[in-house]
Amino acid sequence: DQQVKQNSPSLSVQEGRISILNCDYTNSMFDYFLWYKKYPAEGPTFLISISSIKDKNEDGRFTVFLNKSAKHLSLHIVPSQPGDSAVYFCAAMEEFGGGSEKLVFGKGMKLTVNP
Amino acid sequence: DAMVIQNPRYQVTQFGKPVTLSCSQTLNHNVMYWYQQKSSQAPKLLFHYYDKDFNNEADTPDNFQSRRPNTSFCFLDIRSPGLGDAAMYLCATSRDPWEETQYFGPGTRLLVL
Repeated sequence: DQQVKQNSPSLSVQEGRISILNCDYTNSMFDYFLWYKKYPAEGPTFLISISSIKDKNEDGRFTVFLNKSAKHLSLHIVPSQPGDSAVYFCAAMEEFGGGSEKLVFGKGMKLTVNP
Repeated sequence: DAMVIQNPRYQVTQFGKPVTLSCSQTLNHNVMYWYQQKSSQAPKLLFHYYDKDFNNEADTPDNFQSRRPNTSFCFLDIRSPGLGDAAMYLCATSRDPWEETQYFGPGTRLLVL
């Protein structure tokens, strides 16, 4: 039933190394994908996004890759920093009529970057 | 400086006792959303307002209602909370319903005793 899946609940990496967060989706109608980052006691904040017409989008240390045929996207953080420790949500845009869109979220993955 | 504000941050209510959660925004966005997030689950959209137009998700229980008296404020009313309604409730805004980016408040954690 879950349309956006983040199958690994947590990831731990060393500072300076690469963090790779994975996300799979089932609905081929999704046309836009986003990553949100959430610190404890705060709401999710937008991090980076990618349109379905692209396969890569880069913003500083953050890169998102999209493989449409596999219905898979990943977020790469290079180099990882302790301040990146947070819960990361993968989300997809779904049109629900009249041009309106809604976000469908994954369960989130907790990233811990160790100094 | 806060853009989406939710009060209270923690709310304790009794089984069956109506409760209201509030959300306000300083962004002057047209759309306000309410999400429910249960432990270790994905945030789930309950409903949203586009200006004054209310849009309910098909699977949102009737127990959940919402009000938007003006652009800045939106309320979530739970008429008769059950134990299963204990969750984090997130409010979010976007400029328009076709905008990809939503801005979230810190959430209100609801505990039902």
